[in-house]
Amino acid sequence: EDQVTQSPEALRLQEGESSSLNCSYTVSGLRGLFWYRQDPGKGPEFLFTLYSAGEEKEKERLKATLTKKESFLHITAPKPEDSATYLCAVQSYNTDKLIFGTGTRLQVFP
Amino acid sequence: EPEVTQTPSHQVTQMGQEVILRCVPISNHLYFYWYRQILGQKVEFLVSFYNNEISEKSEIFDDQFSVERPDGSNFTLKIRSTKLEDSAMYFCASVTGGGIETQYFGPGTRLLVL
Repeated sequence: EDQVTQSPEALRLQEGESSSLNCSYTVSGLRGLFWYRQDPGKGPEFLFTLYSAGEEKEKERLKATLTKKESFLHITAPKPEDSATYLCAVQSYNTDKLIFGTGTRLQVFP
Repeated sequence: EPEVTQTPSHQVTQMGQEVILRCVPISNHLYFYWYRQILGQKVEFLVSFYNNEISEKSEIFDDQFSVERPDGSNFTLKIRSTKLEDSAMYFCASVTGGGIETQYFGPGTRLLVL
């Protein structure tokens, strides 16, 4: 069964303190891994799609990487506005559905 | 920038009542999805819809649920007889075509069943 596990559940950072969020996955055949940002009471907002091991993508202070078993979301010099829950999801072959993890709740303090 | 919209943003209903949640996907998108998120839990897939047919559904999507694209713009989720455990955020998502493409999510409808 396809599964996604995210860690840590919650992360508190000082502004400017870099860190990484982890997404471990088991999937029958990975078609894509997706990172979303979710603010309280809102829908998931797309950040990145990764397709194959070794791939990296960047957007402002965020960088996503992918291996055969996990993905990392690196946050460099975070700001308070980066505070949100970050969701990881996988999609396997022969299906369009996304399998989500429970997310990492990030809080960045000034 | 085009976005998925959903109405209502909040809905309160009594157990046993029917509810219809509405979504307007991005205009050139062809594949549509409903997901739900119970408070404090993960986002869960309910159903996917393409070419006026359900293409995949989860175990959650039982006979109490139905989906419809009544016209060229709306995509609806109907719950025939709501239960307390249906209380959740319901998200609509859409993509241009099937496959690896990114699913874009709407802001959600918060459903509370009393």
